[in-house]
Amino acid sequence: GAGVSQSPSNKVTEKGKDVELRCDPISGHTALYWYRQSLGQGLEFLIYFQGNSAPDKSGLPSDRFSAERTGGSVSTLTIQRTQQEDSAVYLCASRSGYEQYFGPGTRLTVT
Amino acid sequence: ELKVEQNPLFLSMQEGKNYTIYCNYSTTSDRLYWYRQDPGKSLESLFVLLSNGAVKQEGRLMASLDTKARLSTLHITAAVHDLSATYFCAVEMVGGAQKLVFGQGTRLTINP
Repeated sequence: GAGVSQSPSNKVTEKGKDVELRCDPISGHTALYWYRQSLGQGLEFLIYFQGNSAPDKSGLPSDRFSAERTGGSVSTLTIQRTQQEDSAVYLCASRSGYEQYFGPGTRLTVT
Repeated sequence: ELKVEQNPLFLSMQEGKNYTIYCNYSTTSDRLYWYRQDPGKSLESLFVLLSNGAVKQEGRLMASLDTKARLSTLHITAAVHDLSATYFCAVEMVGGAQKLVFGQGTRLTINP
């Protein structure tokens, strides 16, 4: 079946611009996570959505980062006024039972 | 704060040899995950360990969990080149979100 998909696969943006990253989870998975993978910080949790509950935003590094999940399915991660330290691979995962299934990621480069 | 440490971080070995990657974590958790990542690719789930003493095997890889020692191991038997990748362990934080805290990753290179 279809896995988690993310778009775009690569994004190059200028410092100060806003970007939106999209995640389509596996159909039927109610839990959705965003993680970030960077050379300096490794893999780190950003935000978690579960059904209609309020999201767990405890991993967002600054108020420039926000995310929403519409209709319990697609999620968008928005980074405002991008900085060079935002350059990383942003991974989305959806969960069924205990396992989290990861998407291919979006590589963000801020120049 | 939950911290997860892997060692070694880099491992170069020859085909046919055995080796073990260690994953230590700092606070109580009963669930631990192992993932594989190939260069430029996403994370592929290898094992889910859900309780103390859990042992799982798939091909040349075997993972175990000791929750009392807060230690998991990933053992590689008779390594082959195809196993070259970066391996991550991840510990699930106790609480509602089931979010994962990852180790630094072990970059494994297997030479013919």
